Parts: sequence; structure tokens; C-alpha cells
Amino acid sequence: AQTVTQSQPEMSVQEAETVTLSCTYDTSESDYYLFWYKQPPSRQMILVIRQEAYKQQNATENRFSVNFQKAAKSFSLKISDSQLGDAAMYFCAPSQGGSEKLVFGKGTKLTVNP
Amino acid sequence: GAVVSQHPSRVICKSGTSVKIECRSLDFQATTMFWYRQFPKQSLMLMATSNEGSKATYEQGVEKDKFLINHASLTLSTLTVTSAHPEDSSFYICSARVVAVGGTQYFGPGTRLLVL
Repeated sequence: AQTVTQSQPEMSVQEAETVTLSCTYDTSESDYYLFWYKQPPSRQMILVIRQEAYKQQNATENRFSVNFQKAAKSFSLKISDSQLGDAAMYFCAPSQGGSEKLVFGKGTKLTVNP
Repeated sequence: GAVVSQHPSRVICKSGTSVKIECRSLDFQATTMFWYRQFPKQSLMLMATSNEGSKATYEQGVEKDKFLINHASLTLSTLTVTSAHPEDSSFYICSARVVAVGGTQYFGPGTRLLVL
């Protein structure tokens, strides 16, 4: 079974600073997608960023960017200019199989300090 | 776009009763929907993959006779927890896959189930 490791259970960052959340995964597939989702206290899962494994270029969405290392099976998330609203649980999730189901890591709780 | 709704948002029921949770894609058609379960302070655990017009595919260890899934249309999937017991109390989340956006799943707001 595919495994996803988020080695940082908790992280904190000062407002306006930059933070990087790590994620490594194990897969035997060559073509797949990778996602970062955030879950604030409301528990609504919100898509942060998406990466296609066949693309070498790292995805970027405004203040959010990834460092995707396919050979190392690493997919870290960088949040720049952190804002109070970024505080949430962040989950890394690669897709798996033809149904493209997602396998979630255990999550990283991000705290943003004013 | 890509909005998914879930109903009800919260339900309390007595042990032994059945509860139905609806998941709807509001502004797109979803041939595939997913059902997850999340315990407090834990990650999402996939329960089953729901395909429109066919039987759901359950993950290992999930009782298909207890968690009935129906995906009768391209915008609606339902999860019925049959003969619910206190250990079924949890947060249930559905998602719908957007084919045009390469496998991206959009999530409903979740349903909190409490079985007394």
C-alpha cells in the first residue's frame, strides 16, 4: 500500500515569514498527481495546490509553491508571507490508481503567530 | 466553481437506527465520488470509491453491508450507515473528482454523526 509521511506533526511561523512543510511518499506508479489540502477548524478541506508528476516545473499558486523531487519522492510546500488565515492542518496527498484516489498523510498543524 | 454540498451537517441518532448522508456536486458532473471518515485529530481515511451507475469499491476493512453507497446520478452519491452503533460516531466527508482538472477532488463540508 502507498504510504505518505509528513514528518512534522506541528510547525509554527511568524506572520509575514516563510515556512516549508515536508512530505515524502512511496509509489510504484510513474504518472500521478500530488496535492496539498488545508483543513481549518471548520474542517472543510480546501485545495491549496496541485502538481502533475510528469511535469518537472514546480507548481505555484500565489504565496504557495512546491518543491517536487520525483526521484526522491518528495513534495514539500512553501508558504511565503504567512498570514493568520493560513493557520490550519495541512495534508499531503498523492493520487493512486486508475480511480485517482488520494492517500493522505497524517498532517501538519501550522500555527501562525502575530 | 467545483462546489460540493453535504447533508445533513450534523446528525444524532439512536443505536440501531440507519442514517443517510447525501453528497452533491452543485456545479459540475462527477462520475466518481469518494467517502472518507475522519476521527478527531486524525487524517482522512478513505472508505470507498463511488462510481455513477455501478457498485462502489470499498477499501479493505470497510464493511460494505454496513456502509451502503449509492451513486444514482452524476451529481448525487449517498452513504447510508445501517444499524448504527456508538463506534460509528465520526466525521464523514465526501469528495467529487473533477476529471477535467486531472484528478482533483473537491470536498464537501462534512457530516458529524453521533450515535447514542
